[in-house]
Parts: sequence; structure tokens; C-alpha cells
Amino acid sequence: DIVMTQSPDSLAVSLGERATINCKSSQSVLYSSNNKNYLAWYQQKPGQPPKLLIYWASTRESGVPDRFSGSGSGTDFTLTISSLQAEDVAVYYCQQYYSTPSFGPGTKVDIK
Amino acid sequence: QVQLVQSGAEVKKPGASVKVSCKASGYTFTSYGISWVRQAPGQGLEWMGWISAYNGNTNYAQKLQGRVTMTTDTSTSTAYMELRSLRSDDTAVYYCAGETGSSDAFDIWGQGTMVTVSS
Repeated sequence: DIVMTQSPDSLAVSLGERATINCKSSQSVLYSSNNKNYLAWYQQKPGQPPKLLIYWASTRESGVPDRFSGSGSGTDFTLTISSLQAEDVAVYYCQQYYSTPSFGPGTKVDIK
Repeated sequence: QVQLVQSGAEVKKPGASVKVSCKASGYTFTSYGISWVRQAPGQGLEWMGWISAYNGNTNYAQKLQGRVTMTTDTSTSTAYMELRSLRSDDTAVYYCAGETGSSDAFDIWGQGTMVTVSS
């Protein structure tokens, strides 16, 4: 099974500043035949189900603000919130769907 | 609109079984699969398994093999997840999730069903 790790566990960022979350997979999630990374990012607010933000490591889901961006390939990935807004306070999870799906442990984002 | 609506909260005793439903609407149910994901209080997300709504094929997480069964009723566009021999550490919010987009990421989620296992 592919194990996902995230760093940091939590971070506090001032409004309007950049937030960066890292995600690492125990093996590559890049499928060579289509050159796609089977990696997604989700946002979860208290009392709500997760919401898909990014898939294929860097493709924003419809309706997701463009301050959210994903990057990386192979085993190392990053979610960036370019200018943190109050409504972005949440826990963020990465997930691989290259094989049996697995999630990272989550990163809590707060306002400084 | 595309949505998944789950059944209500359950309280069960250790050793009992629970069956959670997930009714899909707004899309062709049999064109996609449904996964089940659970989240213990204050914890992260754990994938439990997947069922094809097209042919009923299943893939369960190894740690739940033998205790979980996922089924669908295509006549009502409803997926079910049954978990048996409940233990206190099965206490969690259970979500159904679907991948109706162009990838296998979970783009639609049910609202969640709280299952509490307590004597």
C-alpha cells in the first residue's frame, strides 16, 4: 500500500499571505502511460465532508478559486494558497488514487 | 444537482451490525463507482472500499475484509455499506463518495453518517 505523509501538521498564516503544504507518497503515483500524477487535494471544514480542490496533482476542480494551486510529480507534491482568505481555514488532505486509495494525515491551516 | 444523500445517525452496541445508505441523484448512477470513507472523531480520513455501480464489483480495504459488505440497488440509485461485529473504534463519521469527473478523485461526497458504538 502507498503511504502518504504531509508537512507541516499545522500552520498559521496571516491573511493575504501564502500558505504551502507538502505531501509525499511512499512510491511514485505517476502513471507513465499517460504521464498523469494520480494525486488529489481536498479541503475539509468542521462538520462538513471533504471538498475536492485539485486532481491530477495540478488541475483545479470547477469552481475552486485560482488562489489554490497544486504542483509536483512522482512522489513529492505541494498545495499552495497564494493569498490566504478567512474562509480557507480548514484541514487539507492529499490523496493518491494510483492504487488502493489512501489519504495523508492532514494539515490544519489557521489565521495568524 | 449531483448529490449523494446518506441515512441518519446510528447508535449500536459492540458486536452489532450497521447498514448505511447513500442515495445518488443528478447523474447516471451505473456509470460510476462509490467509495466509502470513514473519519473517527478528531482523526483523518480512512478509505474503506469501493463498489462499481455498473456491475457490483468490490474492492475492500484489507483491514476490513470479512467485516464489511458494500452493495448497490440500481433501481433506486442507492449504495449501501454494512459493517459487522462493531467495536468501539468503529465509532466514526461514514461518508460515501463518488468519482463522476474525469479522474478517479472523489468529486462528490455524501453529508456523512455518524455511527456511535457504545455499550
